[in-house]
Amino acid sequence: SYELTQPPSVSVSPGQAATITCSGDAFPTKLAYWYQQKSGQAPVLLIFEDYKRPSNIPARFAASTSGTTATLTITGAQMEDEGDYYCYSTHPTGNVGVFGGGTKLTVL
Amino acid sequence: EVQLVESGGGLVQPGGSRRLSCTASDFTFGHYWMSWVRQAPGKGLEWVANINEHGGEKKYADSVKGRFTISRDNAKNSLYLEMNSLRGDDTATYYCGRVKSAAHIDLWGQGALVTVSS
Repeated sequence: SYELTQPPSVSVSPGQAATITCSGDAFPTKLAYWYQQKSGQAPVLLIFEDYKRPSNIPARFAASTSGTTATLTITGAQMEDEGDYYCYSTHPTGNVGVFGGGTKLTVL
Repeated sequence: EVQLVESGGGLVQPGGSRRLSCTASDFTFGHYWMSWVRQAPGKGLEWVANINEHGGEKKYADSVKGRFTISRDNAKNSLYLEMNSLRGDDTATYYCGRVKSAAHIDLWGQGALVTVSS
């Protein structure tokens, strides 16, 4: 089965940059998406189609894909950015979704 | 307000069945693919199933194939997930989602908790 691999956790100091990676053999052919989930809440779309940001998402969130790795970068992390981050894509052979295992971001 | 609201969660015995519903508001429901995604307690997100705009194309995760059925009623702006032969590892919060560009979820419901236990 197809898998997307993320680091389990990332820590960052307030105001510094945080980077979360997502490895998948189908990148860059398949597009990458990123979601943020805060404790007890539904996920929120952060990035779609590799790098595009919904209008309600702050500009400090950015993403790119290079080779088989998609990367989410939070420039100037804030305490409110703490939570779980998931990459998402589709299976190489069809319209079947796949989430990465998630990365817990700690800002301290 | 544009939103999705799930209902039907609760406690079910192993081997039992449960039907989840998701009602859409303030957008043209019949123009979108829809999805179900679940999250076991303390675990990550797991994609469960997709259905196309008219219900003619359905996709399932291997973990639920043959046990779960996704369906929709566009006249009622509603999405469903019929779950049969439930097991303990099906215990999760189930989210419905609106799929944008037949690719990704851009709108999520608040989730419905299904607990499979005797």
